[in-house]
Amino acid sequence: AQSVAQPEDQVNVAEGNPLTVKCTYSVSGNPYLFWYVQYPNRGLQFLLKYITGDNLVKGSYGFEAEFNKSQTSFHLKKPSALVSDSALYFCAVRDGTGGFKTIFGAGTRLFVKA
Amino acid sequence: EAGVVQSPRYKIIEKKQPVAFWCNPISGHNTLYWYRQNLGQGPELLIRYENEEAVDDSQLPKDRFSAERLKGVDSTLKIQPAELGDSAVYLCASSPLGVQGNHEQYFGPGTRLTVT
Repeated sequence: AQSVAQPEDQVNVAEGNPLTVKCTYSVSGNPYLFWYVQYPNRGLQFLLKYITGDNLVKGSYGFEAEFNKSQTSFHLKKPSALVSDSALYFCAVRDGTGGFKTIFGAGTRLFVKA
Repeated sequence: EAGVVQSPRYKIIEKKQPVAFWCNPISGHNTLYWYRQNLGQGPELLIRYENEEAVDDSQLPKDRFSAERLKGVDSTLKIQPAELGDSAVYLCASSPLGVQGNHEQYFGPGTRLTVT
C-alpha cells in the first residue's frame, strides 16, 4: 500500500535562511513524487515532481527537491526563504507502475519570519 | 488559460439536507478528481474520472454520495443526506490523461461545506 509521511507539522525559518520540508514515502512500484503548496482559501498549486531521471528536481518559486531512493525520501528545499513562502506544503506519491491513485501527506505548515 | 472552476465557494446546510458541488476542469483535461480535505489533513480521493467514466470510486461513500460527469467535461458531486461529519473542503482537480499518471494535478479553490 502507498503511504506518505510528513514528520513535521510545522517548520519555522528566518527569512533568508535555507529551508527544508521533509517527506518520506512508501510504494511497491516506482514512485512518482509531487510537492504542492496551499495558500489560505485557495486550492493546491503544483510546485514540482519527480518521475524519472535526475534526483534533484527544480520547480516553481525557487524550490527544489531531492529524490533519495535508499532513504525513500523526497525533501523539499529552498536556499533562501521568503516571507511569502509561508504556506501549507503537501507531499504526494503515486505508484508509477500500479495505477493512478495519488496519496497526499498530512501537510507541513511553513512559517517564514521576517 | 482558465483554471479549474468550482462553485459554490462556501455552503452552510443543516444535517439531513442535500447539497451539490459543481466543477469545470481545465479545457482538454481528460481526468477529473474529487477530493475531500478535512481540517489539518491532506486531500483524500473520493472519485476519479477518465473522460465520462468513473475509474476509481472505491473511497466514495455510495450510500449518500454520488457524482456524475456528463459529456466528459463538467462534474457534479452530491451528498444526500448530509451528516455533521461531512463538513470539509471539497476539492476538484484535473489533469491530462498522461502515461501511467505522470502528470501533476491542477486544483480548483474548493468548496467549504459546513453541516450544522
